[in-house]
Amino acid sequence: RKEVEQDPGPFNVPEGATVAFNCTYSNSASQSFFWYRQDCRKEPKLLMSVYSSGNEDGRFTAQLNRASQYISLLIRDSKLSDSATYLCVVWGTNAGKSTFGDGTTLTVKP
Amino acid sequence: DGGITQSPKYLFRKEGQNVTLSCEQNLNHDAMYWYRQDPGQGLRLIYYSQIVNDFQKGDIAEGYSVSREKKESFPLTVTSAQKNPTAFYLCASTKDRANTGELFFGEGSRLTVL
Repeated sequence: RKEVEQDPGPFNVPEGATVAFNCTYSNSASQSFFWYRQDCRKEPKLLMSVYSSGNEDGRFTAQLNRASQYISLLIRDSKLSDSATYLCVVWGTNAGKSTFGDGTTLTVKP
Repeated sequence: DGGITQSPKYLFRKEGQNVTLSCEQNLNHDAMYWYRQDPGQGLRLIYYSQIVNDFQKGDIAEGYSVSREKKESFPLTVTSAQKNPTAFYLCASTKDRANTGELFFGEGSRLTVL
């Protein structure tokens, strides 16, 4: 079993739809969690940090569920520009060791 | 503007040749990382360094080597011992050694072995 697993894609949704991605992690002692966005053939860019209390940034909401060991990303009112691959990242207890999920590809269609 | 500069962006190499990828940062960050990404997959950690003159193996260090002689620089050498080196290589940094914060990435180097 992989340390970090993401929903398999691709997700194809119409503009305006709400879409949610999950990412599960196996190490219960993991310390911090992030969502990154990666456009085709580009470097990942930070989308959001993920906190136990949940956090929201405009149309994006991230949640952490430590009991069930997963993080989620909710995108409301999808835009064409949201089309990208979304990567979850989990930092473990070993300083310097981050683990990426394989990514979930989202395509938003007109 | 502060950031991470990787070079070259594209590199072609013949089998059996070593190649070195450059990574320079002017963010004054303590920690630096090298990742590899294959098509349809996430990033896998090759090596990381938390302070100058010190570095640790990541999950897929075999066939790679690094050095950290200066805080700003963390070059990666892909050696001939790396069996399948064609990939997208990403260098990143974090502000401090706690290494639980935001990763800042360079634009990547795309290596193709002919």
